[in-house]
Amino acid sequence: EAQVTQNPRYLITVTGKKLTVTCSQNMNHEYMSWYRQDPGLGLRQIYYSMNVEVTDKGDVPEGYKVSRKEKRNFPLILESPSPNQTSLYFCASKITGFYNEQFFGPGTRLTVL
Amino acid sequence: DQQVKQNSPSLSVQEGRISILNCDYTNSMFDYFLWYKKYPAEGPTFLISISSIKDKNEDGRFTVFLNKSAKHLSLHIVPSQPGDSAVYFCAASAFDNDMRFGAGTRLTVKP
Repeated sequence: EAQVTQNPRYLITVTGKKLTVTCSQNMNHEYMSWYRQDPGLGLRQIYYSMNVEVTDKGDVPEGYKVSRKEKRNFPLILESPSPNQTSLYFCASKITGFYNEQFFGPGTRLTVL
Repeated sequence: DQQVKQNSPSLSVQEGRISILNCDYTNSMFDYFLWYKKYPAEGPTFLISISSIKDKNEDGRFTVFLNKSAKHLSLHIVPSQPGDSAVYFCAASAFDNDMRFGAGTRLTVKP
């Protein structure tokens, strides 16, 4: 089954404790991205990657890191999480090209205390 | 600065009637528009799209209308079904790695 998977689905952590949210896709997509969803703001892009070893900032990259060492994986790293990073996070992937829709993972709900 | 706006946070319709979800945008460079549907505890899923060279696109019960002069698009669902109850996100793109989403509209279809 073609899908984007994220782990963990739910995470409660404390300020300053480094964490990684994994994302993996099995569709051989070049393009992958991370979004956060907050009430009243919709989905905002954090980082995206056009291909292996190619990443770039989205609209809200502060406090996040990413890496793209393999085509299928695109982990999101929070080196020192803060309460304002409490949010619902989605990973997505698509075929490179303008008129192609993104496929989203099921989401990771993160709470930073 | 929200370039894509969905001004109605929620909408409630009766089963069998038409649902109309609206979306406004400010960036005249947007060239591709999409609607995504999201159920609780799931990621958004693609529903329907339209490019700026068209003013209408249909897929079964779903039709998207684009009015470029008004910078407005709408999603019509006819007839509405209880299974359509979800949050609907409007999205717009000006180039490949950029997609802007609205805040979403929660649709409730009552039996």
